[in-house]
Amino acid sequence: NAGVTQTPKFRVLKTGQSMTLLCAQDMNHEYMYWYRQDPGMGLRLIHYSVGEGTTAKGEVPDGYNVSRLKKQNFLLGLESAAPSQTSVYFCASSYRDRNTEAFFGQGTRLTVV
Amino acid sequence: GENVEQHPSTLSVQEGDSAVIKCTYSDSASNYFPWYKQELGKGPQLIIDIRSNVGEKKDQRIAVTLNKTAKHFSLHITETQPEDSAVYFCAAARGGSQGNLIFGKGTKLSVKP
Repeated sequence: NAGVTQTPKFRVLKTGQSMTLLCAQDMNHEYMYWYRQDPGMGLRLIHYSVGEGTTAKGEVPDGYNVSRLKKQNFLLGLESAAPSQTSVYFCASSYRDRNTEAFFGQGTRLTVV
Repeated sequence: GENVEQHPSTLSVQEGDSAVIKCTYSDSASNYFPWYKQELGKGPQLIIDIRSNVGEKKDQRIAVTLNKTAKHFSLHITETQPEDSAVYFCAAARGGSQGNLIFGKGTKLSVKP
């Protein structure tokens, strides 16, 4: 049982490039989330999804887009990367609703130069 | 907006001593309060959680207390061990439909042998 898997684990982008981060979960969870973690800032919610085909904005959505075409996958896209998007990105999923345990992936360290 | 304050940001204790981390939250509708442990290079992992209808919960060496009137909750680790060294995050489930957890900024706990 893999849990929550994120790919890639590391990436370096040039300013203006685009990329997609993939999150896959095998626990049949309804809810999925994308967070970013910056030093001294904790975890901040970018976007989330409450089920296949749904997405919603979190605290810091600007510059990111997401899609949830399949229940097990949640994609995070950066259309035109900026240095301010240098961060560690975590995907998480939870069963049914927000008041249950969230399972996190191992993270993707993204550097935009 | 909704906010979770966490203190201290760093905590150093001797092995065998107790460690206490405190959090306050602003959203009176919050009703779920998890604590996550993040080891270096890994994603956060749930260690204990508490719901608003309970004042205290214990699991071996860790315990969490909740005071809904004062809107604060605390993590207590007794008989600390070097493997307890990590970053700990508190969180509160946001009321309404605005998404998932709001995290504190984290506490880096160091347990010295």
